[in-house]
Amino acid sequence: EVQLVESGGGLVQPGGSLKLSCATSGFAFSGSGMHWVRQASGKGLEWVGRVNTKTYNYATAYAASVRGRFTISRDDSENTAYLHMNVLKTEDTAVYYCMGIGGSSYWGRGTLVTVSS
Amino acid sequence: QSVVTQEPSLTVSPGGTVTLTCGSSTGAVTSDHYPYWFQQKPGQAPRTLIFDTNHRHSWTPARFSGSLLGGKAALTLSGAQPEDEADYFCLFFSINIGEGFFGGGTKLTVL
Repeated sequence: EVQLVESGGGLVQPGGSLKLSCATSGFAFSGSGMHWVRQASGKGLEWVGRVNTKTYNYATAYAASVRGRFTISRDDSENTAYLHMNVLKTEDTAVYYCMGIGGSSYWGRGTLVTVSS
Repeated sequence: QSVVTQEPSLTVSPGGTVTLTCGSSTGAVTSDHYPYWFQQKPGQAPRTLIFDTNHRHSWTPARFSGSLLGGKAALTLSGAQPEDEADYFCLFFSINIGEGFFGGGTKLTVL
């Protein structure tokens, strides 16, 4: 069974930092690009960024709204992807999902990040 | 930066057929953009229906099909069922950088 489990969400003050994890099992993690997607309450999906596979030198790409503040990484030995978020803003408040793409795609259930003072 | 357009809402009768589309402000959507389609029901995480334009996931009912239509990615539902009522989002990737862009979503009502 394929599983992607996000963790690390919570309440953080504006300007703060947070690190999300996406632990996976049951699919070809090392051969899959790992993406982060977020969804503010009552809104649509927003692509945050991705880290590619070792074959593509772990290349990363980010949405303009987070570029320079967020960093995505992965540990193939742990089948885990990460989202490091810095200089958080209130508009970063959302449920954050990880998604693995390697042919098809699989989603986690999400973790809520709330940025508020 | 691409703006991705989807129909905000559509209604289909049970057993009927409906096509959702996904267009780009920067030009035609092609297979090189690897368009995806996702279904999301209230309170649930999205799940993948279609990947790489027209490939169904193992759990995707055969009544869903993906294609390219008039420069857009398209999702056709043939024989709509009540359980198909949901939000549908498309996603594609820019060719050079691989940046992703979601459409705003289509709220599909089966009525």
